[in-house]
Parts: sequence; structure tokens; C-alpha cells
Amino acid sequence: AQSVSQHNHHVILSEAASLELGCNYSYGGTVNLFWYVQYPGQHLQLLLKYFSGDPLVKGIKGFEAEFIKSKFSFNLRKPSVQWSDTAEYFCAVNANTGRRALTFGSGTRLQVQP
Amino acid sequence: EAQVTQNPRYLITVTGKKLTVTCSQNMNHEYMSWYRQDPGLGLRQIYYSMNVEVTDKGDVPEGYKVSRKEKRNFPLILESPSPNQTSLYFCASRATGGNTGELFFGEGSRLTVL
Repeated sequence: AQSVSQHNHHVILSEAASLELGCNYSYGGTVNLFWYVQYPGQHLQLLLKYFSGDPLVKGIKGFEAEFIKSKFSFNLRKPSVQWSDTAEYFCAVNANTGRRALTFGSGTRLQVQP
Repeated sequence: EAQVTQNPRYLITVTGKKLTVTCSQNMNHEYMSWYRQDPGLGLRQIYYSMNVEVTDKGDVPEGYKVSRKEKRNFPLILESPSPNQTSLYFCASRATGGNTGELFFGEGSRLTVL
């Protein structure tokens, strides 16, 4: 079965600091990878996704993620965070099986201090 | 506007009192799913449906039922709620054709079982 690990549970940064959130998954086959964001009190929204091609994908609001197949990783990055990036971030994997289920990591809570 | 609508958004109930959380999507998506979100555990899939009259268990189906009589609706039924079902519930939908993979989420339903 597929699984997703997010090792940073709570990250606190100052505005303009750089961000990198780790995501590792376990599945030996072809995967689709996602990062979702959940702003306080809101539902999940898609930040970016990777299906194939260029392993460096760019999403909304200046976020990007790099798929490193050899490391089973899909880390999220942003060069300079803003206070409005305060949210919870979820990495998710779809092993592209018939079940078509997304498996989510436990989430990383990002707090950006002004 | 494309959306997934859940009701109720907030509910406090007592142990054993049957309840239903409704979910409706207006995007003609074949795939629908229910997740529960708990602190430190991320989102866990309860049930999913690949199409009308086709449902299957996710990772944490115990204590829940679903039905998919129409394409747009996917209600979650708690026949006899218990306190361990206190959680934040999200309904989501996705088109199964093509290579999109993106799940669209509802606003969430916060359930408290006393």
C-alpha cells in the first residue's frame, strides 16, 4: 500500500524566509504527486501537481516542488514566504491504480510571523 | 460556479443518533470520496465511489455507510455515531477520465458526537 510521510509537523518562519517542506512516499510504481494547502477554516485547495515530464513543477502563489524519483521525494519550496502563507500543507500521492485514491500525509502546519 | 457542497457544516449530536452528511457536486464528476481529518493524522479516506451504484471502502470505513444513487450526490451516513467519530469531514470529487487527478473538496463538516 502507498504511504506518505511529512516529517515537519510544525514550521515557524519569519516573513521573507525560504521554505522547504519535506514529503516522502512509499510506492514502487508510477505515481501522481500533489501538494494541497488548507488555509485556516477553509477546505483544501490544490497548490501543484506532478504527473510526468519536468520533475520541477511550479504551482500557484510562487510555490514549486521537485520530484526526485530516486529518493521517493516531492519537497515543496518557496523562496520567500509571506504572512498569508500561514496554513497547513498536505502532500498526497495517487498510485494511479484502479482505486484512484489519494493518500495524504499527516500535514505540516506553517506559521509565518510578520 | 464549480463546487462541492456539504451540509451541515457544523453539527453536534449525541451517541447513537443517526445522522447524514450530504454532499453534492455540480461538475459531473464520476468519482466521489469522503475523508476525515484528525490532528496529526492528515486526511484518511472513509469511502469512495467510482460511479453511480459503485462504492467501496477506504482506509477507515468502520461506523460509516454511503450510497451513490445519483451521480451528483454522495451522502455519508452514521447509523449510530460514537464519540470517536468526532472529526472534520470532507467530501471530494474528481473526473476519472483523462489525467487530471485533482480532487475538488467541499468546505468541510465539523461533527461533534457527545
